[in-house]
Amino acid sequence: ETGVTQSPTHLIKTRGQQVTLRCSSQSGHNTVSWYQQALGQGPQFIFQYYREEENGRGNFPPRFSGLQFPNYSSELNVNALELDDSALYLCASSLEGIADTQYFGPGTRLTVL
Amino acid sequence: GENVEQHPSTLSVQEGDSAVIKCTYSDSASNYFPWYKQELGKRPQLIIDIRSNVGEKKDQRIAVTLNKTAKHFSLHITETQPEDSAVYFCAAHYGQNFVFGPGTRLSVLP
Repeated sequence: ETGVTQSPTHLIKTRGQQVTLRCSSQSGHNTVSWYQQALGQGPQFIFQYYREEENGRGNFPPRFSGLQFPNYSSELNVNALELDDSALYLCASSLEGIADTQYFGPGTRLTVL
Repeated sequence: GENVEQHPSTLSVQEGDSAVIKCTYSDSASNYFPWYKQELGKRPQLIIDIRSNVGEKKDQRIAVTLNKTAKHFSLHITETQPEDSAVYFCAAHYGQNFVFGPGTRLSVLP
């Protein structure tokens, strides 16, 4: 058991809506990274939060945004949902920064209709 | 740009045989290379990782080798078992980004 948890497990939204996904990092970890995994593909890096600041971003538009809280848990917000946003959203926590070992949560399966 | 190539995309081996998966990265500044195993419907699980100051690392039946000059690293699984069947992903750390390969579906046939 890695200790990283995510909620909700599954979510169904319609195009144009907004969604918030949540992640609790493993105890003692101050870094959370978010990934999008489309069916049959590898995870794609969305962004990383380190000590409550965004500390790196992949090739995702601004409608993907996030937060990290003082307890190092994190949220991923996606506005104006598109059909292509349907995917498994994974968060991963690491002890100190993105170059440290990352442990993944179970993911949130988002379906956009 | 930042890229990780992974080969083969699918691999079938007989139980007890060895399996090798190879990844190539593009940025010579990359310094951390993990391997993840993902079973159907489950989270990626770290199985082994290597940093650029090390050429090889081994953990029981699993080993990873790194060739910094050629910018490639490989996963070696010996004495494969049916429970090794899964999708394996390599990844490379690029600055403040983290890039995964497209994955290799490994099937171990009994």
